[in-house]
Amino acid sequence: QVQLQESGPGLVKPSQTLSLTCAVSGDSINTGNFYWSWIRQPAGKGLEWIGRIYPSGNTDYNPSLKSRVTISVDTSKNQFSLNLSSVTAADTAIYYCARFKRIFYYFDYWGPGTLVTVSS
Amino acid sequence: DIQMTQSPSSVSASVGDRVTITCRASQGIRSWLAWYQQKPGKAPKVLIYDASSLQSGVPSRFSGSGSGTDFTLTISSLQPEDVATYFCQQANSFPYTFGQGTKLEIK
Repeated sequence: QVQLQESGPGLVKPSQTLSLTCAVSGDSINTGNFYWSWIRQPAGKGLEWIGRIYPSGNTDYNPSLKSRVTISVDTSKNQFSLNLSSVTAADTAIYYCARFKRIFYYFDYWGPGTLVTVSS
Repeated sequence: DIQMTQSPSSVSASVGDRVTITCRASQGIRSWLAWYQQKPGKAPKVLIYDASSLQSGVPSRFSGSGSGTDFTLTISSLQPEDVATYFCQQANSFPYTFGQGTKLEIK
């Protein structure tokens, strides 16, 4: 059974960088059939796709966040990470990591999510 | 960006009722549409992918249909455990986008 688990600080100060890691268990992140994604959800609101990474390191980002986002992968640790720079209160949200299936294009496994609050 | 518009935004129905939720894309997305169920405090869970394919382990009372711009999620006989918010999501083009959600309650 594939499991994903987000980790990182729950509180980040404005203008600083939000950094989260997603640990993957139950499958190798090197499996070629999947992309590995970050998605966020402000409290009581909808879902926003942030970006994705392939095991080779190739990335795609949401243009609305592209200037501030970096997603990286560490295949030796079977995990991938999100960095979001210059955060503001608008970046306060639950952040999910998820596995994206290349065939049929959908998110088949999600982490439980982690709340990140941007506040001084 | 492709806008995904769901209707209704909320629905209340009785146990055993047939419930239909619609999702409209602002441009054609072929069949690259998935439906997710999200219960309070939990991550979304996929129900339907490729517009009409049932994810393994999901009860058969859930079904999806549509292609192009108009899609439907149907629950054939509503159960108490179906209380949740439902989202559609397109993967035809970047950035992937989600509908705003439909909150389903029991009368």
